[in-house]
Amino acid sequence: DQQVKQNSPSLSVQEGRISILNCDYTNSMFDYFLWYKKYPAEGPTFLISISSIKDKNEDGRFTVFLNKSAKHLSLHIVPSQPGDSAVYFCAASLNFGNEKLTFGTGTRLTIIP
Amino acid sequence: DAGVTQSPTHLIKTRGQQVTLRCSPISGHKSVSWYQQVLGQGPQFIFQYYEKEERGRGNFPDRFSARQFPNYSSELNVNALLLGDSALYLCASSISEDRGLYGYTFGSGTRLTVV
Repeated sequence: DQQVKQNSPSLSVQEGRISILNCDYTNSMFDYFLWYKKYPAEGPTFLISISSIKDKNEDGRFTVFLNKSAKHLSLHIVPSQPGDSAVYFCAASLNFGNEKLTFGTGTRLTIIP
Repeated sequence: DAGVTQSPTHLIKTRGQQVTLRCSPISGHKSVSWYQQVLGQGPQFIFQYYEKEERGRGNFPDRFSARQFPNYSSELNVNALLLGDSALYLCASSISEDRGLYGYTFGSGTRLTVV
C-alpha cells in the first residue's frame, strides 16, 4: 500500500528553466510534508517542508505547494542548476512530532546544461 | 562538525547469518531512527529511539531489533538474514524527539548484500 506516490521516475530539465516534481498521497491524516534530495553514495538531505495548515512554503530557489483537497504537493526549483541533478523524495508524517516518515519512491531529476 | 556516521559502509553476509549495523548521531542529537531503502524504492521506517527508549516501530519482522546507548549511538541488528534484506540501511538523527522544522540528518548508509 503505497501511501505516498511519485509517479514520475525521472525528469529532465534544461538548465535555467523551472523543475516541477510532483507527489500524491492517499492518507488524509498526513499532516506534515518534506522533500529530500539524494546524491549517489550519500544519505538523503533535507530540502524543505510544509505543514498542512499552509499551502505554500518558499526557501530560496525552492518552493513547495500543497493542495490538501487534491492530496497533492509539488516542489518547484527555479532556476534549475546542474547541481540540482539528484533523486528527490517526497515524505509525509502523521503530525509534526511524529518521527515516522513515509517516503515516496523518488524522482530522478537531470538538469541538462 | 561530524555528521551522522554509519559503519560499516558495505558488507556482504550469507543467508541465515546475523548482522549488526552501527550509527553515531550528530553531537547533541538524542533521537536516532533507522530506515531501510531497497533498490528503486523510497526509505522505509524501521525504528526510532529517543533517550534510549523505543518510540516507534515500522512494519518489520521481529528479526529486526535495535538499541540506543547512553552516548546516543545506536545499533540495528538483523537475525536470520534473508535475500530480501539486501538494502541500504540509513540512520537519521535529530536533536529532539520532535524532528522539528528541519527534518532529520541522514547518514550515508550501510549497503548490506545478502547472498
